Amino acid sequence: AQSVTQLGSHVSVSEGALVLLRCNYSSSVPPYLFWYVQYPNQGLQLLLKYTSAATLVKGINGFEAEFKKSETSFHLTKPSAHMSDAAEYFCAVSKHRRGAQKLVFGQGTRLTINP
Amino acid sequence: EAGVAQSPRYKIIEKRQSVAFWCNPISGHATLYWYQQILGQGPKLLIQFQNNGVVDDSQLPKDRFSAERLKGVDSTLKIQPAKLEDSAVYLCASSLEGRVSRAAYEQYFGPGTRLTVT
Repeated sequence: AQSVTQLGSHVSVSEGALVLLRCNYSSSVPPYLFWYVQYPNQGLQLLLKYTSAATLVKGINGFEAEFKKSETSFHLTKPSAHMSDAAEYFCAVSKHRRGAQKLVFGQGTRLTINP
Repeated sequence: EAGVAQSPRYKIIEKRQSVAFWCNPISGHATLYWYQQILGQGPKLLIQFQNNGVVDDSQLPKDRFSAERLKGVDSTLKIQPAKLEDSAVYLCASSLEGRVSRAAYEQYFGPGTRLTVT
């Protein structure tokens, strides 16, 4: 069965510092992987996705993630944190079944940005 | 393009009462999902529809939860009777059918309904 583990339920960085949110996956088949962001009292918004094309995936708001099969990881990074990046981030894995996609989410990582 | 609409945004009920949530997906999206997000956890899929048929309801507590998607457009999720542990945010999402294109793999989420059971 597919699953993801997000290391660290809470990450705090200073404004302008590197953001690194960790995600490891478990999948018996080549996975599709996603990072979503959730701002307070809002739904989830897709940041980026890996669907077996380039291993380095660029997303919105300056975020990117690298798929590393050997490490079963899909960590999210951003070179320079901005105050507006404060939110909850979720990693998710999907096994695409014909005509139906099922996402399994990690527990989430709350990102706090210090001025 | 209008996003996924959900109502109400907030609901407070007492245990053993019933409640219903409504979702209107993005126009043209054949697949609709209901997720339950308990505080401090990631969303958990409750039920998935493709058009008006159920694809996956393996994690839906069927003794108290029910959902329908008449005419393959909007959907209603009902809880009857509610328990304290049902307190959560209920998220609706939609996507194009998977066989159409790679873009179909993206799910678009509504703002959610925050349910508090007292």
